[in-house]
Amino acid sequence: DTAVSQTPKYLVTQMGNDKSIKCEQNLGHDTMYWYKQDSKKFLKIMFSYNNKELIINETVPNRFSPKSPDKAHLNLHINSLELGDSAVYFCASSQGTGLGEKLFFGSGTQLSVL
Amino acid sequence: GNSVTQMEGPVTLSEEAFLTINCTYTATGYPSLFWYVQYPGEGLQLLLKATKADDKGSNKGFEATYRKETTSFHLEKGSVQVSDSAVYFCALSIGYALNFGKGTSLLVTP
Repeated sequence: DTAVSQTPKYLVTQMGNDKSIKCEQNLGHDTMYWYKQDSKKFLKIMFSYNNKELIINETVPNRFSPKSPDKAHLNLHINSLELGDSAVYFCASSQGTGLGEKLFFGSGTQLSVL
Repeated sequence: GNSVTQMEGPVTLSEEAFLTINCTYTATGYPSLFWYVQYPGEGLQLLLKATKADDKGSNKGFEATYRKETTSFHLEKGSVQVSDSAVYFCALSIGYALNFGKGTSLLVTP
C-alpha cells in the first residue's frame, strides 16, 4: 500500500487553464505539505496543514490554493496556469510538526504548462 | 534565516570510491538536520538524521555528524555503489517544515 499517493503523476496543460492535484496519505499523520521542485531540483515548501489548519503559507501566488477536506487529504488547485508553474510538485506528510519529524513523500506530479 | 548550503554537483565517482557531500547550515536556535535521497523518478526518502550536536546519523553505510562548532552535517560513505546514484538533499528543521538545500546529484560508474 502506498503511504502518500498523489494524482495525477503527469499533467500536461495549456497556459490559462485551471488544474488540481490530489494527495492522500494513509499513515494517520496529522501534518501534510506541498513542495515545488524546479528544473534544477531545488525544493521549496509551499504550504503545510496540521489537522486541516493552514500553518505554513510561503510566498506563493494566490493562484495556488490548497484545500484539506480532512487530515488525510491535501489537494492543490492552481488557477490560470503560467509557463513558470512547470515543475514537479511533491506532497508529503509527517506525524506532527515538531523538531526531528520524518517526512514521507509522494512520488510527485510533473506539471508541464505549454 | 534558516537555510542549508550544500556543494554543487554533479559528483561523479567510480564504484567503491569514498564519498563526501558537504553541507553547512545557518539557523536561529537548535535545528534538527537531515539527509534525504531522491532516486530517479521517485519522491524523497529519509536517509539519516541527527537532532542534536555531536549526534551521528547513519544508514545504509552513509554517515553524517552534527557539528555545531562548524555548523556542518557532511554526508560520507566509505565505498559507493552504482545503486547509490541519486540526488542527495541536506535539510534542516526548527519545527513546522523542512528547509532543503539545492541537492547534489551523484553518479556512480562501474
